[in-house]
Amino acid sequence: EAGVAQSPRYKIIEKRQSVAFWCNPISGHATLYWYQQILGQGPKLLIQFQNNGVVDDSQLPKDRFSAERLKGVDSTLKIQPAKLEDSAVYLCASSGGGAYGYTFGSGTRLTVV
Amino acid sequence: GDSVTQMEGPVTLSEEAFLTINCTYTATGYPSLFWYVQYPGEGLQLLLKATKADDKGSNKGFEATYRKETTSFHLEKGSVQVSDSAVYFCALSDQGSGYALNFGKGTSLLVTP
Repeated sequence: EAGVAQSPRYKIIEKRQSVAFWCNPISGHATLYWYQQILGQGPKLLIQFQNNGVVDDSQLPKDRFSAERLKGVDSTLKIQPAKLEDSAVYLCASSGGGAYGYTFGSGTRLTVV
Repeated sequence: GDSVTQMEGPVTLSEEAFLTINCTYTATGYPSLFWYVQYPGEGLQLLLKATKADDKGSNKGFEATYRKETTSFHLEKGSVQVSDSAVYFCALSDQGSGYALNFGKGTSLLVTP
């Protein structure tokens, strides 16, 4: 079974620029999550999708972050404009449902300079 | 809301020492509990999990027991190795949060020869 694919692996941008991250979950997984992990901290949930609908985006800074999951498969997370404090690893995870079987991608490490 | 509290790190142990990393949680429902591990330069990996009270999760010599009465899920290992050096995250999920993982801040473990 293929894992959760994320790209790019690394990204360096200047503040105020925009950036987008891509995630392809495990085939058949209805639930998709985006987490932000700042250095030295635990992952923080940004947004949760069930198929192509948003379940929870209460911690997504909507003035600059946006996310979509077209057709309930791939997902894109965008930041525009980026700030220095957005430097973090952005993790995508998928689940087949319930409290079982989360699979995390390798993450995208974003550095904002 | 739900939350997880882990003991502060870093924890430094000699090889073959006994390890305990404390984790307590707050939840309104009946959460599932998890320990994830992040080795240097790598992604998050599920170490073990427990889905109901008194369950014991175990893997690679690590154990944790779901204690509802003390709302705890402490991670233990009888004899640590240098290769166990990593950051350990306690997490919970429950139906109220759409089964999204809620992580603690992480505990860094360094095992010296």
